[in-house]
Amino acid sequence: DGGITQSPKYLFRKEGQNVTLSCEQNLNHDAMYWYRQDPGQGLRLIYYSQIVNDFQKGDIAEGYSVSREKKESFPLTVTSAQKNPTAFYLCASSTRQQGRDTEAFFGQGTRLTVV
Amino acid sequence: DAKTTQPNSMESNEEEPVHLPCNHSTISGTDYIHWYRQLPSQGPEYVIHGLTSNVNNRMASLAIAEDRKSSTLILHRATLRDAAVYYCILRLTRASYDKVIFGPGTSLSVIP
Repeated sequence: DGGITQSPKYLFRKEGQNVTLSCEQNLNHDAMYWYRQDPGQGLRLIYYSQIVNDFQKGDIAEGYSVSREKKESFPLTVTSAQKNPTAFYLCASSTRQQGRDTEAFFGQGTRLTVV
Repeated sequence: DAKTTQPNSMESNEEEPVHLPCNHSTISGTDYIHWYRQLPSQGPEYVIHGLTSNVNNRMASLAIAEDRKSSTLILHRATLRDAAVYYCILRLTRASYDKVIFGPGTSLSVIP
């Protein structure tokens, strides 16, 4: 079945460590996104990528980095520079067909906790 | 960037219709209006999207104002499983970028 997979579901990190969250999709989508969600809040855009080897900063990119070496994969690294990394992280992908917009698919999220 | 505004919360009785409003007064001509919903600790789920015309699918209907500055998500008969946070989203598809901006969302409670 086609879909978007995030791993791990739960992740614990010590302060000062970098950690990488995985996001893989087999939907052949060009665009991929990373969002952060804090308790009781909406989603905030961290980074997005429209095509392989290209990505753009979202609204809260500081302390995060991404890569897009393959169409299927868009890993997010939470660096030690991110002051408050504990949050729920969501990855999404989408595409356009014949110039018409289509839905975005979301993964089930990774809950990162700094201990 | 265009933003959306939604009520923080709404309530509905089970099996009654629900109208969830969204304002997007700064929308541009090429921005699509998407609706997603999210249950606790899960990723958002697609509900419906449209550009100018009203849209219907098995989950809901989307009514878009003629000037496109507002839209309404219509759940025809609310069930307990419809209790979720509903996000009204603009997909910005301009020449230089393509990203999805999330509004604050409306928390829908369904009363049995």
